[in-house]
Amino acid sequence: DVKVTQSSRYLVKRTGEKVFLECVQDMDHENMFWYRQDPGLGLRLIYFSYDVKMKEKGDIPEGYSVSREKKERFSLILESASTNQTSMYLCASSFQGGLAEAFFGQGTRLTVV
Amino acid sequence: AQTVTQSQPEMSVQEAETVTLSCTYDTSESDYYLFWYKQPPSRQMILVIRQEAYKQQNATENRFSVNFQKAAKSFSLKISDSQLGDAAMYFCAYRVRRRGSEKLVFGKGTKLTVNP
Repeated sequence: DVKVTQSSRYLVKRTGEKVFLECVQDMDHENMFWYRQDPGLGLRLIYFSYDVKMKEKGDIPEGYSVSREKKERFSLILESASTNQTSMYLCASSFQGGLAEAFFGQGTRLTVV
Repeated sequence: AQTVTQSQPEMSVQEAETVTLSCTYDTSESDYYLFWYKQPPSRQMILVIRQEAYKQQNATENRFSVNFQKAAKSFSLKISDSQLGDAAMYFCAYRVRRRGSEKLVFGKGTKLTVNP
């Protein structure tokens, strides 16, 4: 089975902290994605990557950065966490190819206090 | 920018009945792909059905089928013989490939309730 693993299920951080959310996939997928999910707003794309060291901004990249040093790992970084970044964060991965299915992690519920 | 619009925040259906969830999208691309994903209360997102824009024939997966109207940029999901296990958030998604990267964008979702 494909597995996309997010490092934490729940996380509480203080305002101004630097926060790392880690995502690892075990299927040699080229594509990896980070979304945030908020009630009434659906899934909003933060950043995505199609290869090691390659990254592209999604629709809401402000306040976030990413790192992909290895193919299986895609990290989301909150440089200085703010309360408006409290959210559910979902990581996904897929092969390249338009109809390729995206597989999702279980999500990280981040609370910034 | 590509956008995906789901106009029904919530829908309900009686068990064994049929329900249709709406999705429209906005794009200037000619080659793209459309998906419906389901997120049950446990939160793990799973694929329901997918469609290539070049294919005129509507995709079908068991009780799930789509009505793809390319000119209208519409991609609705029909669930037949609804079951209690179909209760979930349903997300319509759009994928486009450009210069080597593949962007996958989702709508706001429709919460489906199945009544016994």
